[in-house]
Amino acid sequence: AQTVTQSQPEMSVQEAETVTLSCTYDTSENNYYLFWYKQPPSRQMILVIRQEAYKQQNATENRFSVNFQKAAKSFSLKISDSQLGDTAMYFCAFMKGYGGATNKLIFGTGTLLAVQP
Amino acid sequence: DGGITQSPKYLFRKEGQNVTLSCEQNLNHDAMYWYRQDPGQGLRLIYYSQIVNDFQKGDIAEGYSVSREKKESFPLTVTSAQKNPTAFYLCASSPLGQGARNEQFFGPGTRLTVL
Repeated sequence: AQTVTQSQPEMSVQEAETVTLSCTYDTSENNYYLFWYKQPPSRQMILVIRQEAYKQQNATENRFSVNFQKAAKSFSLKISDSQLGDTAMYFCAFMKGYGGATNKLIFGTGTLLAVQP
Repeated sequence: DGGITQSPKYLFRKEGQNVTLSCEQNLNHDAMYWYRQDPGQGLRLIYYSQIVNDFQKGDIAEGYSVSREKKESFPLTVTSAQKNPTAFYLCASSPLGQGARNEQFFGPGTRLTVL
């Protein structure tokens, strides 16, 4: 069975600074997807970034980027130039690839990020 | 405007009552999911459905039931058998199939409180 671990329950960063959120996962699959979701105080889950395991290049979306280390089963999220609107709970999630896929997501327990003015 | 809607936003239930949470999507997605969110535990899968008139249990299905009579609708019933139903419930949908973008889209959630 797959598991996702987020070892940082809470983090804090100053506005305009850079912060990295950690995520590790365990799987025997070779084909899978990894995601970071953001849940602000409104509680709406918003997809931040996705990574296909077969791609060596790290995904980037504006100020958000990942460091995907497949051998180490590590998938960290870097937020550059942090903004007050980045304050949210961040969830790392795993999805098996096509071929066994129901597109089920397995979530970590989340990291609560507070951006300080 | 395409998206997922959940209603109601807040729901209060007396012990021993069944309640049904609504989830509707107009994204033409094949798959739909129900998650439960508790503090410090992330999201846990209750039920999911890949096709109309078919659904499968997730990790915490006991005390819950679902139906999928239409592609766009996937209501969740929280029965009196659910021992600790107070939680935040999220519905999601996803396209399936080769070439589909493998990600889930979430509704705004329903907060259920048992009085």
